[in-house]
Amino acid sequence: GESVGLHLPTLSVQEGDNSIINCAYSNSASDYFIWYKQESGKGPQFIIDIRSNMDKRQGQRVTVLLNKTVKHLSLQIAATQPGDSAVYFCAETGSGGSYIPTFGRGTSLIVHP
Amino acid sequence: EPEVTQTPSHQVTQMGQEVILRCVPISNHLYFYWYRQILGQKVEFLVSFYNNEISEKSEIFDDQFSVERPDGSNFTLKIRSTKLEDSAMYFCASSEAVGQAGYTFGSGTRLTVV
Repeated sequence: GESVGLHLPTLSVQEGDNSIINCAYSNSASDYFIWYKQESGKGPQFIIDIRSNMDKRQGQRVTVLLNKTVKHLSLQIAATQPGDSAVYFCAETGSGGSYIPTFGRGTSLIVHP
Repeated sequence: EPEVTQTPSHQVTQMGQEVILRCVPISNHLYFYWYRQILGQKVEFLVSFYNNEISEKSEIFDDQFSVERPDGSNFTLKIRSTKLEDSAMYFCASSEAVGQAGYTFGSGTRLTVV
């Protein structure tokens, strides 16, 4: 069936480095994508979103890239800080008329000071 | 900043018992959701609620589950007869509209069925 998944379950980086978290999606009908951050013991927190009519969107220290040709989504975090340590989920939505986010498995980002 | 509030933060219950998980969504939000996350796994959609009725539900949301908005502020998830596999974090979320990113999640209720 259709699914959203992540390439790397764990990513370790040094403080100050840039981080890239990847996500593959298989539902070509999805038209809206969201990245969430989940810190330990907390609920998912919205980071940034992108619609399928865009290929790049920037926020504060974060950039989301969307490649519809290969159904790939990435989250770039600039100058990663220890506070960025969390699990990051991509979510896709919009297929079949539903706008309920379907979450991927998650990538754990570990930032070493 | 407005928050979605969930209570209790941790609930331990005996298998077969009924539990009610409570949520107070953000006051001007119109759409409400329940998700669950089994330890170490992805966040799974259970149900969405709008205009006092279920708008979507997943296959997880079977007859053991029900939702209710008993008053103008609370949104509850009831599990009628809990099973061991119901042990998970349950997250409530709300949004002002559908199809936008403005889902705000609560901090969750950890349900442990023993």
